Amino acid sequence: DAMVIQNPRYQVTQFGKPVTLSCSQTLNHNVMYWYQQKSSQAPKLLFHYYDKDFNNEADTPDNFQSRRPNTSFCFLDIRSPGLGDAAMYLCATKDRGNEKLFFGSGTQLSVL
Amino acid sequence: AQTVTQSQPEMSVQEAETVTLSCTYDTSENNYYLFWYKQPPSRQMILVIRQEAYKQQNATENRFSVNFQKAAKSFSLKISDSQLGDTAMYFCAFTASGTYKYIFGTGTRLKVLA
Repeated sequence: DAMVIQNPRYQVTQFGKPVTLSCSQTLNHNVMYWYQQKSSQAPKLLFHYYDKDFNNEADTPDNFQSRRPNTSFCFLDIRSPGLGDAAMYLCATKDRGNEKLFFGSGTQLSVL
Repeated sequence: AQTVTQSQPEMSVQEAETVTLSCTYDTSENNYYLFWYKQPPSRQMILVIRQEAYKQQNATENRFSVNFQKAAKSFSLKISDSQLGDTAMYFCAFTASGTYKYIFGTGTRLKVLA
């Protein structure tokens, strides 16, 4: 089935050690999003891509970067994770002309 | 700036009963979409129902329906004949037409009791 896949499901990293989270999609959607979701809080948009155009939210820390090498893949790089970056990271996609978001299962990031 | 508010952090309902989850929003836009997303314990968020602001008729999807009050900026979700599988976090979300930004509320944790 076409879907949004996030790997890994759980990721543990050390304080300050760079980590990369990945997202792939078989939907051929042109918009991809990264959200950060902390316990009992609303998902917070970090950035999104419209095709190759990168759109960063004003309050996204510089510590967070993203890459989208092609339509199918999108990566979230956290250069120097802090304890406050421990969260669920959700990837979502959207097709042009359709307002429905498709989500992956998320990656739960722990920072030790 | 748009905001979405869900004032009920947690709710519970008996199986087969009806429950209503509340959502209010604020926007100066005239054309927009509203959504309810469900996030079960497995964590993958899925769309439950959506409403286009220009449509006066309330959206329905099987046991799920909304009460959309545009003037009051209110968008509540009614779940009829609640089932154990409805246990999840429910998020209300907003997007303005022609934009790619979605604003989520803080969620309501719904527990359906057997």
